[in-house]
Amino acid sequence: SQELEQSPQSLIVQEGKNLTINCTSSKTLYGLYWYKQKYGEGLIFLMMLQKGGEEKSHEKITAKLDEKKQQSSLHITASQPSHAGIYLCGADISSGGGADGLTFGKGTHLIIQP
Amino acid sequence: EAQVTQNPRYLITVTGKKLTVTCSQNMNHEYMSWYRQDPGLGLRQIYYSMNVEVTDKGDVPEGYKVSRKEKRNFPLILESPSPNQTSLYFCASSSGTSGSLYEQYFGPGTRLTVT
Repeated sequence: SQELEQSPQSLIVQEGKNLTINCTSSKTLYGLYWYKQKYGEGLIFLMMLQKGGEEKSHEKITAKLDEKKQQSSLHITASQPSHAGIYLCGADISSGGGADGLTFGKGTHLIIQP
Repeated sequence: EAQVTQNPRYLITVTGKKLTVTCSQNMNHEYMSWYRQDPGLGLRQIYYSMNVEVTDKGDVPEGYKVSRKEKRNFPLILESPSPNQTSLYFCASSSGTSGSLYEQYFGPGTRLTVT
């Protein structure tokens, strides 16, 4: 089974609406990263969360890590066409040592309808 | 400008013909890693390196080799490519000797097709 589950797999949202993407694991997330990817291109770092209950915001994007450090959400307020793309969550689920790098979810495809 | 570069960006080759995808970073990062991205499977780690001359297998190392002779370079070698290695490949680097706890910077990707 996938160690890091992202939902939904795809999302079509009307421009100006809010949306939320979730990233869930049965294991503790020692470092949780959100990336954005334009189709076929590289990954752009959005935010990193480490502490339970942590919340970070940048422009219209807010990411949260729950207290148990097993679930993170990415919330976009008043979506714009520039938000379209693939959102990926990546996390260290090994044991906090981090030597193995990140495990990634399969991604959420976000489409913004004008 | 801080960046991770990969070459080539696109490559079409035939089964069995050895190839190398280069990766270079200019941020003096200790940690470097290779991923492949496939539809429905997401990003999976191939190999990683915590420092010069130190490399380890990731989740899907079969059919790949790497080397880390210099800090800035981490080439990915396919000795005998097969069609199941057709994929989008990403190189990444981060500061520190850990793959997590620090932001990973990703290269632009190399789209490889093996016929």
